[in-house]
Amino acid sequence: EVQLVESGGGLVKPGRSLRLSCTASGFTFGDYAMSWFRQAPGKGLEWVGFIRSKAYGGTTEYAASVKGRFTISRDDSKSIAYLQMNSLKTEDTAVYYCTRDGEAADFDYWGQGTLVTVSS
Amino acid sequence: QSALTQPASVSGSPGQSITISCTGTSSDVGSYNLVSWYQQHPGKAPKLMIYEGSKRPSGVSNRFSGSKSGNTASLTISGLQAEDEADYYCCSYAGSSTFPYVFGTGTKVTVL
Repeated sequence: EVQLVESGGGLVKPGRSLRLSCTASGFTFGDYAMSWFRQAPGKGLEWVGFIRSKAYGGTTEYAASVKGRFTISRDDSKSIAYLQMNSLKTEDTAVYYCTRDGEAADFDYWGQGTLVTVSS
Repeated sequence: QSALTQPASVSGSPGQSITISCTGTSSDVGSYNLVSWYQQHPGKAPKLMIYEGSKRPSGVSNRFSGSKSGNTASLTISGLQAEDEADYYCCSYAGSSTFPYVFGTGTKVTVL
């Protein structure tokens, strides 16, 4: 059974940093691209960014709203994807989800999400 | 890149069919048959319901179907059931390596 479990969320002050983890199980993690999404309270889904599998270079892409502040990485030996968030702003407050990327520009499995609250 | 346009809400009675539209542009929905749909119950993670426009993942009820015409994709739920009450989001591939995905604004489905 595919499982994705996010961790690392919490309350953080503006300008500080936080690192989220997404621990995967039930599939060969290294074969898949992984994405991060977020959902602000009462709002819709926003794609944050993704990391390709090593077979496709392991490169990353980011939404304009987080580019230069957020970094996605992966440790295939541990089946973990990371989201390093720096220079956090109040508008980064959201539930953050990690997903496994399907083969047709879809996201076939989602974690349960972790809440990040940026507030002074 | 603008979000895909969805109606804010759609409602129907049990047993009825409803359709949710998802309107994009010739740069996203109109160019690729790579539209996916997600169901999200309150406080829960989204769930993939339709991918590649009309395909259902294993385990998703065949009451859910997807289609596309021009720049508009649609999700139809037939035989509406109480458990279908949720938010639904569409997503389309947008062709850019730096901005590959565009999401819909979301539709609240209410079962009367």
